[in-house]
Amino acid sequence: AQSVSQHNHHVILSEAASLELGCNYSYGGTVNLFWYVQYPGQHLQLLLKYFSGDPLVKGIKGFEAEFIKSKFSFNLRKPSVQWSDTAEYFCAANNAGNMLTFGGGTRLMVKP
Amino acid sequence: KAGVTQTPRYLIKTRGQQVTLSCSPISGHRSVSWYQQTPGQGLQFLFEYFSETQRNKGNFPGRFSGRQFSNSRSEMNVSTLELGDSALYLCASSQRSGANVLTFGAGSRLTVL
Repeated sequence: AQSVSQHNHHVILSEAASLELGCNYSYGGTVNLFWYVQYPGQHLQLLLKYFSGDPLVKGIKGFEAEFIKSKFSFNLRKPSVQWSDTAEYFCAANNAGNMLTFGGGTRLMVKP
Repeated sequence: KAGVTQTPRYLIKTRGQQVTLSCSPISGHRSVSWYQQTPGQGLQFLFEYFSETQRNKGNFPGRFSGRQFSNSRSEMNVSTLELGDSALYLCASSQRSGANVLTFGAGSRLTVL
């Protein structure tokens, strides 16, 4: 069955620390990959997406993600986090034409 | 342009009742998807509508149903509510079916007592 897994459920970092959130997917064929973010009290919003091409994808607010096909991974990174990055982060995937499957989410808390 | 609008934002129901939630997509978006978000299960896909037709359906019981109108607005209905139906119900719209890039609404938070 198609699935997306996020191994870190809760992450606590200090400001300026580097961030890497893991995401693995189980999909056959061509896969589209996404990271969404949900800031406290706000809508779920798209952070970045990968459809094809350069496996290193840059998104908003200094986030990036790397698609590693051999590892079925799409990890999210940020070199230096800020207090305002405190949020819940969701990895998601789909095959073209099908619905998105989300991972369980990772709650990130950044201490000022 | 206006985002995805969901109503009501909060509601409380009792077991056995039914509920109808509404979603107005972004203007020009013809696909509407519904997700259930709970602390234990995360985001789970309910169904997707495009051009008034259900295109995809998740693994939920028949008590969960939906429809889409000619103006792309969508409603979802849950009948015979159970305590476990308490959740945040999210609607998302996209320009076409296939859910490549979704724009989410703020959600309708349902509490079942």
